[in-house]
Amino acid sequence: AQTVTQSQPEMSVQEAETVTLSCTYDTSESDYYLFWYKQPPSRQMILVIRQEAYKQQNATENRFSVNFQKAAKSFSLKISDSQLGDAAMYFCAYRPTFDYGGSQGNLIFGKGTKLSVKP
Amino acid sequence: KAGVTQTPRYLIKTRGQQVTLSCSPISGHRSVSWYQQTPGQGLQFLFEYFSETQRNKGNFPGRFSGRQFSNSRSEMNVSTLELGDSALYLCASSQRQGGPYEQYFGPGTRLTVT
Repeated sequence: AQTVTQSQPEMSVQEAETVTLSCTYDTSESDYYLFWYKQPPSRQMILVIRQEAYKQQNATENRFSVNFQKAAKSFSLKISDSQLGDAAMYFCAYRPTFDYGGSQGNLIFGKGTKLSVKP
Repeated sequence: KAGVTQTPRYLIKTRGQQVTLSCSPISGHRSVSWYQQTPGQGLQFLFEYFSETQRNKGNFPGRFSGRQFSNSRSEMNVSTLELGDSALYLCASSQRQGGPYEQYFGPGTRLTVT
């Protein structure tokens, strides 16, 4: 069974600084997708960035970028120039490319990392 | 396009009762997934519906059930509520199943069982 692990329950960063959130996963599949979701206190889950496993190039979305290490099964999120609005729970998630049915066919989330941004 | 909507947003029920939660996906999206979020267990997959058929199911007891209508709207039902069912229930929609298709989440329904 696939699993996703986020080893940092809480992180803190100074406004305008850079922070990296860690995520590791376990799978025997070679083709899959990885995601970082943000859940602010309002509770609306928002997709931050996604990475296709077959792409070697790391995904980037404005101030957000990932470091995808497929062999190491690592998928970290870097937030540059942190802003107060970045404060939220961040969830790393895995999803297989193909739907095989059963209980593993959907998003598998890590436990999350709570990010605080200090002014 | 309007986002994913969930009703009601908040619900208080008594142990032993049953509850029905509703989810309206983004227009054109045919896949609807449900997740349970609790402080202890985190986010756990409940089930996914596509074209009115349950395609995937998580490891939850039979008290948890759902369905999808021809307009892709989905409902989930929990019978014989237990205190441990208190959680935020999130619905997500996507165009189709599988990794390439991004899931868009609704604001959730906060269920409290007393």
